[in-house]
Amino acid sequence: SQQGEEDPQALSIQEGENATMNCSYKTSINNLQWYRQNSGRGLVHLILIRSNEREKHSGRLRVTLDTSKKSSSLLITASRAADTASYFCATDHTGGFKTIFGAGTRLFVKA
Amino acid sequence: DTAVSQTPKYLVTQMGNDKSIKCEQNLGHDTMYWYKQDSKKFLKIMFSYNNKELIINETVPNRFSPKSPDKAHLNLHINSLELGDSAVYFCASSQSGVGEKLFFGSGTQLSVL
Repeated sequence: SQQGEEDPQALSIQEGENATMNCSYKTSINNLQWYRQNSGRGLVHLILIRSNEREKHSGRLRVTLDTSKKSSSLLITASRAADTASYFCATDHTGGFKTIFGAGTRLFVKA
Repeated sequence: DTAVSQTPKYLVTQMGNDKSIKCEQNLGHDTMYWYKQDSKKFLKIMFSYNNKELIINETVPNRFSPKSPDKAHLNLHINSLELGDSAVYFCASSQSGVGEKLFFGSGTQLSVL
């Protein structure tokens, strides 16, 4: 069954605003990752946060993880039109070899 | 050099035909994957291979047969194509397969008519 559920399904904001996407999952994880997919392209890894971490930053990206609530959020600050893409959370579990993706959030950043 | 490359990029075929998608990675990774992305962008794992050995088979119909001649290659052969097989198929790789980031190919858009 699908592990991750993402919220919202779609998000439309103005350039310069912040974008927050949320992800919830069902079972225990080893780590959680966020990926980006531009239209017609493959997924690109953005950031990985381990189950014993609570927050991680990378440039304009900030990821939080709350294992007690089985949820994560991705914040993109000062968004740009070029951030327009789909964003997916993905989880890894004991045993490995099986990264499971959520349904994704489609982000539209208007110039 | 493209890290994970898959061919062809587009594949249009008739129902009942057999087709193959090829994937190669030049990253020296041990683990490779096939994912299927449907029209709603939902991405589902199909197979994972580690050092040429099948590790994960996510209850994919046996019309789908992956083959890994070496750890840098993972091909996907599909027999008796059905309308529901229409999707984008992504190949990916990771260093060991346990808790690391995946590197994706650019996808093969398969359309079954």
